[in-house]
Amino acid sequence: DAGITQSPRYKITETGRQVTLMCHQTWSHSYMFWYRQDLGHGLRLIYYSAAADITDKGEVPDGYVVSRSKTENFPLTLESATRSQTSVYFCATSSGGSTDTQYFGPGTRLTVL
Amino acid sequence: QKEVEQNSGPLSVPEGAIASLNCTYSDRGSQSFFWYRQYSGKSPELIMFIYSNGDKEDGRFTAQLNKASQYVSLLIRDSQPSDSATYLCAVVNRRQGGSEKLVFGKGTKLTVNP
Repeated sequence: DAGITQSPRYKITETGRQVTLMCHQTWSHSYMFWYRQDLGHGLRLIYYSAAADITDKGEVPDGYVVSRSKTENFPLTLESATRSQTSVYFCATSSGGSTDTQYFGPGTRLTVL
Repeated sequence: QKEVEQNSGPLSVPEGAIASLNCTYSDRGSQSFFWYRQYSGKSPELIMFIYSNGDKEDGRFTAQLNKASQYVSLLIRDSQPSDSATYLCAVVNRRQGGSEKLVFGKGTKLTVNP
């Protein structure tokens, strides 16, 4: 049981390019989340989804786009990558929303040159 | 005032000692509180959650919640070198519009010395 996977695990890209980070879960959890983690800021919520086709902004959504056509997948797209988006990105899932335990994927380390 | 505050540390304790990690939060209406552990280069993993005032024990870990003072703490008894990690406090806050979000503190780095 893979649980929650993220791909790629590492990505280097250039400013202005579009990048998509993938998140896949096998638990059928309703809720999925995208966080970024930066030194000095901790974990910050980018977007979350309560179910397929339902998404909402988090604390730092600017420059990111999400979609959720299937329950198990929650891709995060950086439409035009900037250096400030260099970070470690974590996907998380929960069965009961923000008040329930969140389970984190292994993370994607993104570097924007 | 930041929503969730933690002492960034590093906190250093000898093996076998009690490690005490503290967290304060600003939203007086918060009802759910979590402690996550994050090893270097790894993803956060849940250690404990607490919803009610008082203490909650799980093995060597005890979470303490005081809603009147708006603080939550984590005690680690008989600390082991394997406990060396960053500990993240997370609090569920209510957003405008009624939805809820989990807000993380920046974490406290704990080092347990053999």
